[in-house]
Amino acid sequence: DTEVTQTPKHLVMGMTNKKSLKCEQHMGHRAMYWYKQKAKKPPELMFVYSYEKLSINESVPSRFSPECPNSSLLNLHLHALQPEDSALYLCASSRRWGGLETQYFGPGTRLLVL
Amino acid sequence: AQKITQTQPGMFVQEKEAVTLDCTYDTSDPSYGLFWYKQPSSGEMIFLIYQGSYDQQNATEGRYSLNFQKARKSANLVISASQLGDSAMYFCAMRGGTSYGKLTFGQGTILTVHP
Repeated sequence: DTEVTQTPKHLVMGMTNKKSLKCEQHMGHRAMYWYKQKAKKPPELMFVYSYEKLSINESVPSRFSPECPNSSLLNLHLHALQPEDSALYLCASSRRWGGLETQYFGPGTRLLVL
Repeated sequence: AQKITQTQPGMFVQEKEAVTLDCTYDTSDPSYGLFWYKQPSSGEMIFLIYQGSYDQQNATEGRYSLNFQKARKSANLVISASQLGDSAMYFCAMRGGTSYGKLTFGQGTILTVHP
């Protein structure tokens, strides 16, 4: 089973709201990723967690705050977002970070910031 | 640095025919992996096929095969017997042995399958 789940599927929020995106996998993977994807563009890496520790932050604004409570869960906390943050947010996981491991993606959360 | 180039923004194919989606890459890593993902309009990024740089044979997964030509640095995806459900965006991606988890994506090719 190579399933990564994400909730919610869709999210509409105002610029003053606080919301969270959730990602879960039960494949025993120890690396998890957040990507941001604009329409008709490839995904852009935001964060990488390896063994529940933040390993890569691709200079993402602080209004995005990732959290990895345990090896199966990955959250992305959103606060004071801008309209240009509207995008598809994809979570992915792989057996480990580094090497040539395949990343498996979830269905994504479509975020609209008003 | 790694780079993936997909030169076909859009491709059209008749149902039941085969289609080749082009991908060329550049890397200085001696060891690397090449991946193809499918992204339907629903948004999910679906892993299709993987080819390692040291693999002697081309990878195949059902109707998908990867035409790997190492000397030409190309990793084209071949879809045989196209189906209407194959209509989607297709991304070629690579990961180098020293890239610390970073997946480099191409710009994607939109495939449309006509009945």
